[in-house]
Amino acid sequence: QQQVKQSPQSLIVQKGGISIINCAYENTAFDYFPWYQQFPGKGPALLIAIRPDVSEKKEGRFTISFNKSAKQFSLHIMDSQPGDSATYFCAASMHQGAQKLVFGQGTRLTINP
Amino acid sequence: ETGVTQSPTHLIKTRGQQVTLRCSSQSGHNTVSWYQQALGQGPQFIFQYYREEENGRGNFPPRFSGLQFPNYSSELNVNALELDDSALYLCASSAAGTGELFFGEGSRLTVL
Repeated sequence: QQQVKQSPQSLIVQKGGISIINCAYENTAFDYFPWYQQFPGKGPALLIAIRPDVSEKKEGRFTISFNKSAKQFSLHIMDSQPGDSATYFCAASMHQGAQKLVFGQGTRLTINP
Repeated sequence: ETGVTQSPTHLIKTRGQQVTLRCSSQSGHNTVSWYQQALGQGPQFIFQYYREEENGRGNFPPRFSGLQFPNYSSELNVNALELDDSALYLCASSAAGTGELFFGEGSRLTVL
């Protein structure tokens, strides 16, 4: 019940296209859903996050869509660029107690020029 | 504003040895968490420290221990190293209650 399932494992998108990564969770106590971007040899960097009181959040080319009833959320990267090539992780946590993030398995995104 | 810094960046140990990893939290952050990231996997929560006390722990054995100091910096200690302990160890800091974790670049541990 603590798992966050992420798909696909890898994704190849043409420059200018839309990249879509999906995540699903079981624990309805989760109330914070961030996405992290990780380049090789670096730590994860917080990209964008959403709480379940909204269905969508947009920051620049990055959008999170959240479906509370389906217990799913997704990251959309519009106008994908070669510099977006990285591994993306979704995560979830509960507000109460330790700020323990449960991460998905990651999606390796490649943007072809 | 300085970010989260970790040391050392890389180290190699042999099975059975002990290791200490260090982390300086981002300015203004009073909570530190440690994560283990195996190759090709997502980070796994080890534990979190707030006000120098452990206030949450993941599914890791007692040979994984930690400290937080009054300046909010932290150490992760691993005793009796095993081959499976080879991983990237990530430190993250946050301001209590915000939920926003900011990660350092990690310490890559190789156990031979």
